[in-house]
Order: sequence, then C-alpha cells, then structure tokens
Amino acid sequence: SQTIHQWPATLVQPVGSPLSLECTVEGTSNPNLYWYRQAAGRGLQLLFYSVGIGQISSEVPQNLSASRPQDRQFILSSKKLLLSDSGFYLCAWSGTNEGNTIYFGEGSWLTVV
Amino acid sequence: QKEVEQNSGPLSVPEGAIASLNCTYSDRGSQSFFWYRQYSGKSPELIMSIYSNGDKEDGRFTAQLNKASQYVSLLIRDSQPSDSATYLCAVERENNDMRFGAGTRLTVKP
Repeated sequence: SQTIHQWPATLVQPVGSPLSLECTVEGTSNPNLYWYRQAAGRGLQLLFYSVGIGQISSEVPQNLSASRPQDRQFILSSKKLLLSDSGFYLCAWSGTNEGNTIYFGEGSWLTVV
Repeated sequence: QKEVEQNSGPLSVPEGAIASLNCTYSDRGSQSFFWYRQYSGKSPELIMSIYSNGDKEDGRFTAQLNKASQYVSLLIRDSQPSDSATYLCAVERENNDMRFGAGTRLTVKP
C-alpha cells in the first residue's frame, strides 16, 4: 500500500531564518506531488505541484520554493521566512490509478516568530 | 464567486441525528468530487468520492451529486461525537486541477 510521510511535524522558526520541509511517498511510482498551506480557520491553498522529477509548477508567487530531486521526494524551502508564512503545511500525492484522488501526509505546523 | 463553496458552520446536531453537509461548485465541467474529514490539528483524510449523478453510500455516509445544479452533499446518518470535525469538499475541475472548499465544521453533541 502507498504511504506518505512528511517532517518535521512541528517547528518554530524566527523571521528571516530558512525553512526545509521534506516529504516522501512509498508504494507508488511517478506520483503527482503537492504542497498545500492551510492558515488558521481557512481553506487549503495550493502552493506547488509536480508531475515529475524537476517539474515544479507554482500556484502563488511568494518567498517559498519547491524541489523534486527524486521521483518520490518533494521538498518545500524558503531562504528567509516571513511572519505570514506561519501555518499548517501539507504534502500530498495522487496517482492515475487512484482516479486522481489526493492523499495527504501528516502535516507540518510552522510558527514563525 | 468562489470555485468551491461550503457553509463554514458550525453545524451542530445531536447524537444519532442525520448531519447534512452541502457544497456548490462553479466549474460546470468538473468530473470528480471528494469529501474529506479533518480533525482539529490533523491532516484531511478521504471519506469518499463520487463521479456520477445520484447517491453513493458507504456505511453511515452517503454522498449525493447533482451536476445540473452543481451541487454535492454528504449525509452522515446516526451521527456520533467522533464525527465532530471539519468536512472539506473537493472538486476536480475539467483541467484535472483539484480545488478545495474552506470546510464546514460539524459538532455532534452527546
């Protein structure tokens, strides 16, 4: 069966510090990968999605970036965090065999102070 | 108009009652529809998907789709306190782009 893991689960970072969130998917190949952000009391905002290694599409211009160095690895980064970057970050995957259903990782809580 | 709209709630129902959650969408070419449950502080988990007009039942959950009205709903029968969560409606648009509603918060009171 397929599984998705992301880490760290929780982090508190000062303004201006860098960020790296990692996500890996197991049990499937060539998945579509996504990074979402969910601000408190708000819906899911799609940040990045990837259909293959090195192929990244950005939905919202901001100080975040994403990379996909391996087929089942997706990384969300920032060089300098802003207070507004605080939120719940979710990695997710989908595959054509699952009817494009999106499955989420456990999530990462980021607080920028 | 938002692409996927849900009443934010909170929706409060007594234990054992039927909870009815509603969702409307704007892209008439949308083909796939999903309901997710999200407990506070946790990630969303898939409850069920529906692709054709009509009803689809899975245990205590029934999804209903009406493409002509661009409306999808989720019924939860015999609601339990453990059903208390935020329910997200997701719609896959014609270009395979998935959009989520902001969610409806459901509280089931013992």
